[in-house]
Amino acid sequence: GAGVSQSPSNKVTEKGKDVELRCDPISGHTALYWYRQSLGQGLEFLIYFQGNSAPDKSGLPSDRFSAERTGGSVSTLTIQRTQQEDSAVYLCASSLAGGGASGANVLTFGAGSRLTVL
Amino acid sequence: GNSVTQMEGPVTLSEEAFLTINCTYTATGYPSLFWYVQYPGEGLQLLLKATKADDKGSNKGFEATYRKETTSFHLEKGSVQVSDSAVYFCALTGTASKLTFGTGTRLQVTL
Repeated sequence: GAGVSQSPSNKVTEKGKDVELRCDPISGHTALYWYRQSLGQGLEFLIYFQGNSAPDKSGLPSDRFSAERTGGSVSTLTIQRTQQEDSAVYLCASSLAGGGASGANVLTFGAGSRLTVL
Repeated sequence: GNSVTQMEGPVTLSEEAFLTINCTYTATGYPSLFWYVQYPGEGLQLLLKATKADDKGSNKGFEATYRKETTSFHLEKGSVQVSDSAVYFCALTGTASKLTFGTGTRLQVTL
């Protein structure tokens, strides 16, 4: 597609429920990233995919969080047994290539999925 | 590990005022440096970047110079407009694959 598409744009859920957030990156972008933006916080890195593999998942805050990517394209971030502290905007970004300090790693961000856990 | 420190906002300026948003970093190796901007209701977008020491990134009247000696990448604009009101994020990428962001600085420009 023309840009990075995320869905849903807004999600309200009850504590303890599972949620799935979807990211459709720019066609041809091999690298895909998930970030979390909480109120008053910066952007917190969650996980990075190169193709379908996740060489860096160091930012996932707990084992309730998981992500997968299929076909080198769409990615799903799943949060199980949601807690109120999971409330945030979840941002997905993609780039042509990941890794290195060449400056080629320019990320294009989606508009985000706002998650509210009641 | 890598980290980015930005001045806290909000920054409130009158239109046509001079803008500086400070950014300093800690990193191993030789990172690339970026400024991203988030306009109200929109996603993050790249504003400018610099990939090596003494490089100057520029876009839309904004500039930032990669200063290795002071580990800084301050954002400047000579004359801000109301349309520049947004949240500005300083970021770096090093040998790791991910961008490390600062906490963001909200800019509010008034008439």
